[in-house]
Amino acid sequence: EVQLVESGGGLVQPGGSLRLSCAASGFTFSSYWMSWVRQAPGKGLEWVANIKQDGSEKYYVDSVKGRFTISRDNAKNSLYLQMNSLRAEDTAVYYCAREGWELNSNWFDPWGQGTLVTVSS
Amino acid sequence: QSVLTQPPSASGTPGQRVTISCSGSSSNIGSNTVNWYQQLPGTAPKLLIYSNNQRPSGVPDRFSGSKSGTSASLAISGLQSEDEADYYCAAWDDSLNGHWVFGGGTKLTVL
Repeated sequence: EVQLVESGGGLVQPGGSLRLSCAASGFTFSSYWMSWVRQAPGKGLEWVANIKQDGSEKYYVDSVKGRFTISRDNAKNSLYLQMNSLRAEDTAVYYCAREGWELNSNWFDPWGQGTLVTVSS
Repeated sequence: QSVLTQPPSASGTPGQRVTISCSGSSSNIGSNTVNWYQQLPGTAPKLLIYSNNQRPSGVPDRFSGSKSGTSASLAISGLQSEDEADYYCAAWDDSLNGHWVFGGGTKLTVL
């Protein structure tokens, strides 16, 4: 069974740091782009960052550039999101998602269950 | 303000057909495929439609997708109570070095 399990969320003060992890199983992790997508309480989905199979390419939404770093360890089938200089507006459930692909199409499937990050003093 | 525009709400009665629109631009929907996600209350999103009109295994054929120019649509026929959920469209955007964009989501209510 293809599965993604996030961990590492919690309560952090503004300006603080947190590292999220996503453990993948049931598929060849090193063959897929991976993404982080977040959802603020009561709000819609917002893509945060993604990373190529070998980690050589990374893309970020403008609001997290310079503060968040996406990385992966293919030997451990794991995806990470290092979040620094956290702000109240980063409060959200963070999902990791595998990027399926076919010819010129990509999509998110599956998604993990999410981990809640709360930035508050 | 989301890059892709969806109506915030939609509704229908059991058995009806409803459609949800998603409007974008030449840098996203106009040049890339569109995906749709269903998020049931309190759960993670789930892929519903990929590559404009393809259904993953297990998704009923009541759900269909289409795309024309810079707009896309999700249609749900034979509406059922379990279809009550939030629906999001998404596409890759080629501007600004590339990034994924989502619609703001449409809350579907089954009356």
